[in-house]
Amino acid sequence: SAVISQKPSRDICQRGTSLTIQCQVDSQVTMMFWYRQQPGQSLTLIATANQGSEATYESGFVIDKFPISRPNLTFSTLTVSNMSPEDSSIYLCSVGGENIQYFGAGTRLSVL
Amino acid sequence: AQKVTQAQTEISVVEKEDVTLDCVYETRDTTYYLFWYKQPPSGELVFLIRRNSFDEQNEISGRYSWNFQKSTSSFNFTITASQVVDSAVYFCALSEARRGTYKYIFGTGTRLKVLA
Repeated sequence: SAVISQKPSRDICQRGTSLTIQCQVDSQVTMMFWYRQQPGQSLTLIATANQGSEATYESGFVIDKFPISRPNLTFSTLTVSNMSPEDSSIYLCSVGGENIQYFGAGTRLSVL
Repeated sequence: AQKVTQAQTEISVVEKEDVTLDCVYETRDTTYYLFWYKQPPSGELVFLIRRNSFDEQNEISGRYSWNFQKSTSSFNFTITASQVVDSAVYFCALSEARRGTYKYIFGTGTRLKVLA
C-alpha cells in the first residue's frame, strides 16, 4: 500500500486567485493521478502525471487551468488557476496502476 | 464506451439489517479490474475489494461480501448486519488499460445511511 499526504486539507479562496495543492507519497511511484469530485458527484479524472514528461489531460481539462508538476517520483502538485465558484470541489491525488489505486484524503476547496 | 452504473443513489437501513449495493458495468476489454471504495464523511477513499475479470469467485470478508457475475456484468456488494459506522458513500469502479496507462471509471456512488 501507499501513504499519500495532501496539503492543504481544505481552503477557502477568492474568485480569480490560484491555489496549488501538494501530493506527497511515501514511496516512489511511476504514475500519479489527479481527480476532481464536485459536490455530491462522482470522481472525474483530471490528468495523469508521469515523472519526466508532461501530464496527460482528460477531455474537458486543460493545462492552463490545471497546471501540474511532477518533479520526482514521490511528489506532484496541481494548481487550480483563476478560480471561480464552479471550481469548488474536492481534489484528490492518487497513485497506483491497473489493479489498485490509493487515494489521499483530498483537498476541499471552496471558492467565493 | 466503458461505463459504471450505480442505480441506487441513496439507501437507508436500520442497524443490523442486510443491504446490497448494486453495480453494473460496461466494457469492451476482456481483461479488466473492478473495485469497491468507501468514502466516509472525512472524504478519503478507502479501498475495499478488487476483482479481475478472470476471477468470478465470490468473496466474503467479515460482514462484507461481493458477488461478481460476468454474465450480467454486475459486481454487487452486500453488507450483513449493518452498523452505523458503515454509513458512507460507496463507489464502484472499473479500470481500463489505455495507451500505457490506466484509467479508472467510477460510478456515481451510493450513499448508505445506517440508522441506529
